[in-house]
Amino acid sequence: AQSVTQLGSHVSVSEGALVLLRCNYSSSVPPYLFWYVQYPNQGLQLLLKYTTGATLVKGINGFEAEFKKSETSFHLTKPSAHMSDAAEYFCAVSESGSARQLTFGSGTQLTVLP
Amino acid sequence: EPEVTQTPSHQVTQMGQEVILRCVPISNHLYFYWYRQILGQKVEFLVSFYNNEISEKSEIFDDQFSVERPDGSNFTLKIRSTKLEDSAMYFCASSREGNQPQHFGDGTRLSIL
Repeated sequence: AQSVTQLGSHVSVSEGALVLLRCNYSSSVPPYLFWYVQYPNQGLQLLLKYTTGATLVKGINGFEAEFKKSETSFHLTKPSAHMSDAAEYFCAVSESGSARQLTFGSGTQLTVLP
Repeated sequence: EPEVTQTPSHQVTQMGQEVILRCVPISNHLYFYWYRQILGQKVEFLVSFYNNEISEKSEIFDDQFSVERPDGSNFTLKIRSTKLEDSAMYFCASSREGNQPQHFGDGTRLSIL
């Protein structure tokens, strides 16, 4: 069984400050890891993914995440927050393999202050 | 960029009625999924579908739920006799291959009265 824990249901940062959204997972098999973003009244948009290979993955909009197996973490970062980054962010895990269900964390609402 | 399209955006239904939620996945995708998000709760997996049959389903996906790909483009979720607790946002997703990222639609908000 898999699970995802996102620490902090709400995070506020000032515009231009570092964004750090935390995600820890548990999985009995090598995981695939994802970050999705949801803007109001929209669906889930893929930010980035880790499957195999390089543990630091870069995504859209300047976001990146690092897979740390020893810490079972996949934290999302962005060096400089922009007002347009305000949204809800979801970390998700699936088992490697075909047609695997995604297990989502409870989400982190990011607020960017002017 | 190709998108997953869901209709309607909002569906209001009386308890006990049947409801069908519709999705048009991205055209060259082969794997299809339904998820739901009850207000204030996590996004939960319901079912995955490949090659005209269910690949996986969760405990939520009981006999009241069914999925169908009636033609080459649509993918539907049917709830036979809706309950108040079925009120949620329902998301359709698709992927090119089973191990590729899933692309989500904007969701259908289902309200059961």
